[in-house]
Amino acid sequence: EADIYQTPRYLVIGTGKKITLECSQTMGHDKMYWYQQDPGMELHLIHYSYGVNSTEKGDLSSESTVSRIRTEHFPLTLESARPSHTSQYLCASSEYIAREEKLFFGSGTQLSVL
Amino acid sequence: QKEVEQDPGPLSVPEGAIVSLNCTYSNSAFQYFMWYRQYSRKGPELLMYTYSSGNKEDGRFTAQVDKSSKYISLFIRDSQPSDSATYLCAMTTPDGYGKLTFGQGTILTVHP
Repeated sequence: EADIYQTPRYLVIGTGKKITLECSQTMGHDKMYWYQQDPGMELHLIHYSYGVNSTEKGDLSSESTVSRIRTEHFPLTLESARPSHTSQYLCASSEYIAREEKLFFGSGTQLSVL
Repeated sequence: QKEVEQDPGPLSVPEGAIVSLNCTYSNSAFQYFMWYRQYSRKGPELLMYTYSSGNKEDGRFTAQVDKSSKYISLFIRDSQPSDSATYLCAMTTPDGYGKLTFGQGTILTVHP
């Protein structure tokens, strides 16, 4: 089982609140990712990082921001949450093994903004 | 048009059945193909990884890639109730470095 942890698992908050979704991995992976998943829909990449102090936006535009100050930690922040941000947020890290780039996912944070 | 289209299902099969899950894609730059399994309230876990046309087998699972038709499949033999989950196809380009494009997933239920 992958050693990648997300907290909280569930979060219900009011509009306008600032929130931070935590993601940590103990595998020493340089590459980390945030995907967004709505029910019955595809996962969409919203942010990725290839190492400390490296962050990039993904294919899906997102109002969230990320930081990568330590290898093991890749938090996602929403400065002012809105109902449109309600979704599941999945964090992942990856390593290249025998010609295969393998992603390991956390269990996700289900965010509901009222 | 979505780059990756996956049969949405849901699929409901009896235990022991052979299951076929399918995805088509439009971007010919995709060269690496994956199947993930996602249980309820869990993150996806990698089942199969392929990068060439043909078949790859791992236990009861066989991944099939046809690059000329831009079509991939996952076959599950002797399906078990524990196989009940959402199955996601995913793919990336040689310079994708873990940035995957996913299908929308197929919900599979295997009933005893």
